[in-house]
Amino acid sequence: AQKITQTQPGMFVQEKEAVTLDCTYDTSDPSYGLFWYKQPSSGEMIFLIYQGSYDQQNATEGRYSLNFQKARKSANLVISASQLGDSAMYFCAMREVNSGYSTLTFGKGTMLLVSP
Amino acid sequence: KAGVTQTPRYLIKTRGQQVTLSCSPISGHRSVSWYQQTPGQGLQFLFEYFSETQRNKGNFPGRFSGRQFSNSRSEMNVSTLELGDSALYLCASSAGTDYNEQFFGPGTRLTVL
Repeated sequence: AQKITQTQPGMFVQEKEAVTLDCTYDTSDPSYGLFWYKQPSSGEMIFLIYQGSYDQQNATEGRYSLNFQKARKSANLVISASQLGDSAMYFCAMREVNSGYSTLTFGKGTMLLVSP
Repeated sequence: KAGVTQTPRYLIKTRGQQVTLSCSPISGHRSVSWYQQTPGQGLQFLFEYFSETQRNKGNFPGRFSGRQFSNSRSEMNVSTLELGDSALYLCASSAGTDYNEQFFGPGTRLTVL
C-alpha cells in the first residue's frame, strides 16, 4: 500500500483565492512527521510546513496551514490568498520516527496553477 | 546560514560512464539523504548517511553508492550509467535529531545519452 497518497494530479485556482491540496497517509508508527514541500520548475524542493503526529494544534506558517485529521490519516495543505508565484508542484511527505532514520516517503505530487 | 549546496547542477554523460555528485549540508547538520526524482517513478529514496555511516538504504542496484566525509559533505556515485539513470538527484540535510527539519539542495540534473 502507498504510504502517501495525493489524489489530485493538478489543481487550478484564481489569484487571491484559497486552495486545499489533499494528502492521506498510511503508517503503523505512532510517532511520525508530515511535511509539505513546494517544487518550482527550477527543481529545488522548498520546505513549507511540518506537522508532528503528537502536535495538538494544526501547523501554520504564514499563508500555509495544515489541516491535520489524525483519525482520518489526512494532512491537507491549505494555501490562503493564492499568488501567481505559488504555481508549482506540491509534495506531501512523511517521516516515521521509530524507524530511527531521516528518510522521507513522498507522494506523487499535485501541480498547482494559479491564474490572474 | 548557508543552505544545502549541490554540485554540479547539470551533467551530461553517456551510457557506461560513471558519475560522482556532491552535496554539502547545512553547517551543523550531520545527516544527508539522497533522492532520485524521475517523471515516471517520482521521488525515491536512495540512501542516508549520518556521521559518516550509511544508516538506511533504498531499493536501488549496487551501481548506486555513496559516502560521507568527516565534515558531513556527502558524495554519491553511479557506475555504468544507464539511460534510466537520467533524473534529478536531490540531497536533503537534517540535524539527525530534529525530525521537523529536512532541507533540500537545488539538485543535480543528470542526463544520460
